[in-house]
Amino acid sequence: EAGVAQSPRYKIIEKRQSVAFWCNPISGHATLYWYQQILGQGPKLLIQFQNNGVVDDSQLPKDRFSAERLKGVDSTLKIQPAKLEDSAVYLCASSLTDGVMGYTFGSGTRLTVV
Amino acid sequence: KQEVTQIPAALSVPEGENLVLNCSFTDSAIYNLQWFRQDPGKGLTSLLLIQSSQREQTSGRLNASLDKSSGRSTLYIAASQPGDSATYLCAVGAQKLVFGQGTRLTINP
Repeated sequence: EAGVAQSPRYKIIEKRQSVAFWCNPISGHATLYWYQQILGQGPKLLIQFQNNGVVDDSQLPKDRFSAERLKGVDSTLKIQPAKLEDSAVYLCASSLTDGVMGYTFGSGTRLTVV
Repeated sequence: KQEVTQIPAALSVPEGENLVLNCSFTDSAIYNLQWFRQDPGKGLTSLLLIQSSQREQTSGRLNASLDKSSGRSTLYIAASQPGDSATYLCAVGAQKLVFGQGTRLTINP
């Protein structure tokens, strides 16, 4: 079974620039999540999709972050404009509908804002 | 609001020792508790998942226990090996996971 694919692996941008991350979940997984992991901290949920609908985006900084999941499969997370404090690893994960059997995480995208 | 705390933040032990990692949570009305492993520059790998009706799970040298009444979980690693060196994270929830900050474990040969 193929895992959760993310790209790019690394990205360095200047503050105020924009950046986008891509995620392809495990086939058949209805639920997709984006987490932000700042160095030395645990991951924090940014947004959760169920198919192509948003379930929870309460911790997404909506003035600069946006995410979409077209056709209920792939997803993109965008930051515009980026701030220094956005430097983090952005992790995508997917699960079957109820999450009972656990998650599968991708390898993440490491973003550095300079 | 659920908060998850892991102690210690870092741990270094010689190879072969048995060790315990601790996780505490503030809201006992959890659904699942999971332990993950994270290697440097990598994503998270699920180690053990304990559903709220369960008290422990075992996989190989790993054993995780859950005590909802006290808001605690422990991850026991037997006969530690250098390959066990990683950051271990616990998380509570079913769909939305709330993570602790992790314990960075180093096993010295």
